[in-house]
Order: sequence, then structure tokens, then C-alpha cells
Amino acid sequence: DQQVKQNSPSLSVQEGRISILNCDYTNSMFDYFLWYKKYPAEGPTFLISISSIKDKNEDGRFTVFLNKSAKHLSLHIVPSQPGDSAVYFCASGGTSYGKLTFGQGTILTVHP
Amino acid sequence: DAGVTQSPTHLIKTRGQQVTLRCSPKSGHDTVSWYQQALGQGPQFIFQYYEEEERQRGNFPDRFSGHQFPNYSSELNVNALLLGDSALYLCASREGDTQYFGPGTRLTVL
Repeated sequence: DQQVKQNSPSLSVQEGRISILNCDYTNSMFDYFLWYKKYPAEGPTFLISISSIKDKNEDGRFTVFLNKSAKHLSLHIVPSQPGDSAVYFCASGGTSYGKLTFGQGTILTVHP
Repeated sequence: DAGVTQSPTHLIKTRGQQVTLRCSPKSGHDTVSWYQQALGQGPQFIFQYYEEEERQRGNFPDRFSGHQFPNYSSELNVNALLLGDSALYLCASREGDTQYFGPGTRLTVL
């Protein structure tokens, strides 16, 4: 039972262009959502989050959009930089206890 | 301010053995969660500790157990290791709704 899905295993983008990473969820009890970036041999690094009461949250080059009716969220990176190349995970939480359910990840490659 | 730290970095064990992994949360964080990340997958929740008690548990067998100490640090114990237990084990400490992860322990079971 995969409650959080990232259907694109990989994404390739040119430097300076927009990267859009997508995530779908099935559990309507999820009420907050996070994006993490992960480099090989390191733990996931928190990027940005959004609560279910919002539909957009922005932090510098990173913007997360939430469409609750479609149970879909996306991460936009503008402009993309080669240092953004990593695996990106979306994660969802539904209780105050903090258990996170992760997607399978999307490998982003930004070409110079 | 140190982030979440984990030890050891790498570990090699054989089937049937037992292993203990350690985690220190970020300063001021009192809740610690453990996750297992298999190759090519997202992290899977094992359990969470708060006030030295297991508060929530994922779909993992009883071979996986843990402990939290009064200083909020935590241990993950795995008994009777199987080949399928080979993975990256991640510890996270919580601030509000955000969890901050350590670098992980890479466990290889031969």
C-alpha cells in the first residue's frame, strides 16, 4: 500500500530552467507535506514544507504547491543549478506524532 | 550547533547476529524516529521515541527494538539479522512538523 508516490524516477533539466518534481498521495488524513533532498552517502536534507491549510509555500528558489482535491503536490526549483542534482523525496505526515511516509524519490540531474 | 549524529557510519554483520545503532538528536529535540532506507526506495518508518517510550511503530517485526535515554539519545537494536536487513538506517529528530535527519548508518548483512 503505497500512500505516497513519485511517478517519475528521474528528471533531466538544463541549468537556469525550471525543475518540476511531482508527488501524489492517497491518504486524506495527511495534513502536512515536506520535500527533502538527498546526496549519496548522506541523510535527507529538509528543503521546504507546506501545511494542508495552504496551497503554496515559497522559500528562495524553491516553491511547493499543494492541490488537496487532486491529492497532488509539486516542487518547483527556479532557476535550476547543477548543485541541485540529487534525489528528491516528498514525504507526508498526518498526526502530531510525526511519522512520515515517503515517496520512492526522483533523481534530478541539472546539466550545465 | 551539531545536527543529528549517528554511529557507526558503516557496519558489516553476518546473518543471525545482533546489531546496535546509535543516534544523538539535534540540541533541544526530544523526539527521535528511526527509518530504514533500502536501495532505490524512500525511507520507511520503523518507530518513534518520546520521553523514553515507543510512541508509534511502523510495520516492522519485533526483531527491531529501540531505546531512548534521558538525554534524548536513542539506540536501534536488530536481532537475528537477515540478508534483507541490509539498508541505510536513518535517525531523525523532530521540531514541530519537520524532521531533521542524520547521515545514516549503512548496515550490510552477509
